[in-house]
Amino acid sequence: GENVEQHPSTLSVQEGDSAVIKCTYSDSASNYFPWYKQELGKRPQLIIDIRSNVGEKKDQRIAVTLNKTAKHFSLHITETQPEDSAVYFCAAIGSSNTGKLIFGQGTTLQVKP
Amino acid sequence: DSGVTQTPKHLITATGQRVTLRCSPRSGDLSVYWYQQSLDQGLQFLIQYYNGEERAKGNILERFSAQQFPDLHSELNLSSLELGDSALYFCASARRGNSYNEQFFGPGTRLTVL
Repeated sequence: GENVEQHPSTLSVQEGDSAVIKCTYSDSASNYFPWYKQELGKRPQLIIDIRSNVGEKKDQRIAVTLNKTAKHFSLHITETQPEDSAVYFCAAIGSSNTGKLIFGQGTTLQVKP
Repeated sequence: DSGVTQTPKHLITATGQRVTLRCSPRSGDLSVYWYQQSLDQGLQFLIQYYNGEERAKGNILERFSAQQFPDLHSELNLSSLELGDSALYFCASARRGNSYNEQFFGPGTRLTVL
């Protein structure tokens, strides 16, 4: 079935350092990969997404890369700030064309000042 | 504020009971998704409705059911509640029902089953 694996489960970095979160997906027909940020007690919010016909996308300090052959995609946050501390979820939308999101298990990012 | 509303914010009930969670999508969005977030399971897709009709089903228990009404709001009904049903339930809405559509999440309903 559809599955998304996410690593690491926790990540602690110093302010100003970079953070990288990696995900792999099982459904080779997946064609859309959003990343969500969830602060404690809040709703998930989309921070960046990438389509399967694109290899990389950047938005200020955030970038996402996609390797379709290896079926993995990564989130890169540069110049991390304390307000980046949150749980980050990767997700994939499969071939069913329904838009249902299959989420990774989440990564708790802590940025130490 | 995503424009998606959910009520109630918190719900405390006992095992064996039945509850209804409500979701109103953003104006113009036709698709509603329900997700369950528990500590050990992460975010799990339950069910999707598009313009009043069921579009996709995930790992939704038979004790759970949902519907989307003509005004596009949706309700998730949970019956014969068990302790393990305690979780945060999110709904999300999207303009259409397929890929490439950003899903906007509501604030969630926290369900506690005692």
